[in-house]
Amino acid sequence: AQTVTQSQPEMSVQEAETVTLSCTYDTSESDYYLFWYKQPPSRQMILVIRQEAYKQQNATENRFSVNFQKAAKSFSLKISDSQLGDAAMYFCAYRSITQGGSEKLVFGKGMKLTVNP
Amino acid sequence: DTEVTQTPKHLVMGMTNKKSLKCEQHMGHRAMYWYKQKAKKPPELMFVYSYEKLSINESVPSRFSPECPNSSLLNLHLHALQPEDSALYLCASSRGHRYIFERTEAFFGQGTRLTVV
Repeated sequence: AQTVTQSQPEMSVQEAETVTLSCTYDTSESDYYLFWYKQPPSRQMILVIRQEAYKQQNATENRFSVNFQKAAKSFSLKISDSQLGDAAMYFCAYRSITQGGSEKLVFGKGMKLTVNP
Repeated sequence: DTEVTQTPKHLVMGMTNKKSLKCEQHMGHRAMYWYKQKAKKPPELMFVYSYEKLSINESVPSRFSPECPNSSLLNLHLHALQPEDSALYLCASSRGHRYIFERTEAFFGQGTRLTVV
């Protein structure tokens, strides 16, 4: 079974600075998808960025980028120029396909990011 | 339209009540999910419907009964719940496992905050 580990329960960053959130995972599959979701106090889970394992290039979305190390099974998220609106819970997730062909997300425990003005 | 709409946003129910949570999406997605989320915890998968068929039931108690009337709608019927069932219930949808190499991220609704008294 796949597992996702986020070892840092909380982090803080100063506005306009850069922060990196770590995530490791365990899988025996060779092709898979990884995601970072954020969940602000409004509680809706919002997709931040996605990475396909078959792509060697690290994904980027504006101020968000990932460092995907497939061999090390590591998938960290870098937030540049942090903004107050980035404050939220961040979840790393792995897209798993079951034997029956269904898909599901396996989430890490989450990390609370605080942005200080 | 990239929205998943959940109703109601808040629900308070007694342990003898019967109620239903509703979820709707118009993105043409063929996989729909129910997740349960306790405070400060990651979402836990409850059910997956894939192409309108129940494909995953994560050993959820029978007091939770899912229903997928068509490809756009997903319901969760609640009966004789316990106070420990109080949580945020999230609905999500995605294109489905057949779209392996296309956009496969899950879109989440804002959730229903359920309180069982």
